Amino acid sequence: EVQLVESGGGLVQPGGSLRLSCEASGFTFSRYWMYWLRQAPGKGLAWVSRIEGPATDTNYADSVKGRFTISRDNAKNTLYLQMNSLRAEDTAVYYCVRGSNDWPGMDVWGQGTTVIVSS
Amino acid sequence: DVVMTQTPLSSPVTLGQPASISCRSSQSLVHRDGNIYLNWLQQRPGQPPRLLIYKISDRFSGVPDRFTGSGAGTDFTLQISRVETEDVGVYYCMQSTHFPHTFGQGTKLEIK
Repeated sequence: EVQLVESGGGLVQPGGSLRLSCEASGFTFSRYWMYWLRQAPGKGLAWVSRIEGPATDTNYADSVKGRFTISRDNAKNTLYLQMNSLRAEDTAVYYCVRGSNDWPGMDVWGQGTTVIVSS
Repeated sequence: DVVMTQTPLSSPVTLGQPASISCRSSQSLVHRDGNIYLNWLQQRPGQPPRLLIYKISDRFSGVPDRFTGSGAGTDFTLQISRVETEDVGVYYCMQSTHFPHTFGQGTKLEIK
């Protein structure tokens, strides 16, 4: 069974940093694009970042470019999101999502981890 | 970025009755491979989103056949043939033809 388990969320002050992790199981992690998406309280879904299987290619939403860094450790089947210079508007549930290998898109979502940026 | 617009934003339905949600894209979703990657997700209360339908009408693994996707061009529809209690939640359309992938605002399905 494909599973994605996020961790690392919490309460942080504006300007602070957090590192999110996503542990994957049930599939060959290194062969898949992986994504981070987020959902602000009571709001819709928004793409944050993605990384190619071999980690040679990454993309970021304009709202996080220069502040967030996506990475992965294929030996540990783990995806990361390093978040620096956090702002109140980064408050959201962050989801780790697997990209599909059969079509451009995403197919399996983790349960999410909550990040709250507040003083 | 491609703008996805859903209607209605809220849909009260009677158990056992059909429901329909529409989604319109601001530009063509035809991929260079000729396919249209218009997808539907379900988010039950307190749960993460779950993929229901991809490429307009293909059901993802484990999705009941009461969920049907259709459409062409820039107009797409998700239909639920007979609404059950477990279908309550928010439904999102999402395009993955163009990068960045973008989502509709969500349609809240609730029981009358």
